[in-house]
Amino acid sequence: GENVEQHPSTLSVQEGDSAVIKCTYSDSASNYFPWYKQELGKGPQLIIDIRSNVGEKKDQRIAVTLNKTAKHFSLHITETQPEDSAVYFCAATGLYSSASKIIFGSGTRLSIRP
Amino acid sequence: KAGVTQTPRYLIKTRGQQVTLSCSPISGHRSVSWYQQTPGQGLQFLFEYFSETQRNKGNFPGRFSGRQFSNSRSEMNVSTLELGDSALYLCASSFGGADTGELFFGEGSRLTVL
Repeated sequence: GENVEQHPSTLSVQEGDSAVIKCTYSDSASNYFPWYKQELGKGPQLIIDIRSNVGEKKDQRIAVTLNKTAKHFSLHITETQPEDSAVYFCAATGLYSSASKIIFGSGTRLSIRP
Repeated sequence: KAGVTQTPRYLIKTRGQQVTLSCSPISGHRSVSWYQQTPGQGLQFLFEYFSETQRNKGNFPGRFSGRQFSNSRSEMNVSTLELGDSALYLCASSFGGADTGELFFGEGSRLTVL
């Protein structure tokens, strides 16, 4: 069945350094790739998303890249800050496809060392 | 604007019992989708309701069921609880279907089965 693999499962970086989280999807019909951030005790919150007709999208310190051919997409956080510590989930689904089910990766716990 | 509200936040049940969880979506949102979150498994899609109709369903046994009311509030029910059902259950709402973009998550209901 459809699957999204996410790596690494845990990531620790020094404050100010960059963090990269990678995901691979299996369903060729997927065309929408959101990233969610989950802080302790809270529900996930969308931080950035990308559609398959775009190769890269940036929002301040956060960027997402997509390689449709390889079915890879990645989250890049630059100049990390303590408030970036959280669990991050990637996901893949078919946009405007009612039969499509959103598939989430297993999550990456990001810790920022002061 | 109030966010997605889930009740109860915490509950403890024993094997064989049943449980009902409630989700009130953001006002005006017609779609409510449910997810099971367990350590190492990430977020797994249970089902989605849109305008009182089940629109999509994940790969969970029939013990997991749900419904949506005319005011878009949704409930999910798990019957004959098993130890493996212990998890954080999250619901998310969106104006269109879950396939139309951003999902707004509640803080979840944490179920412990003893």
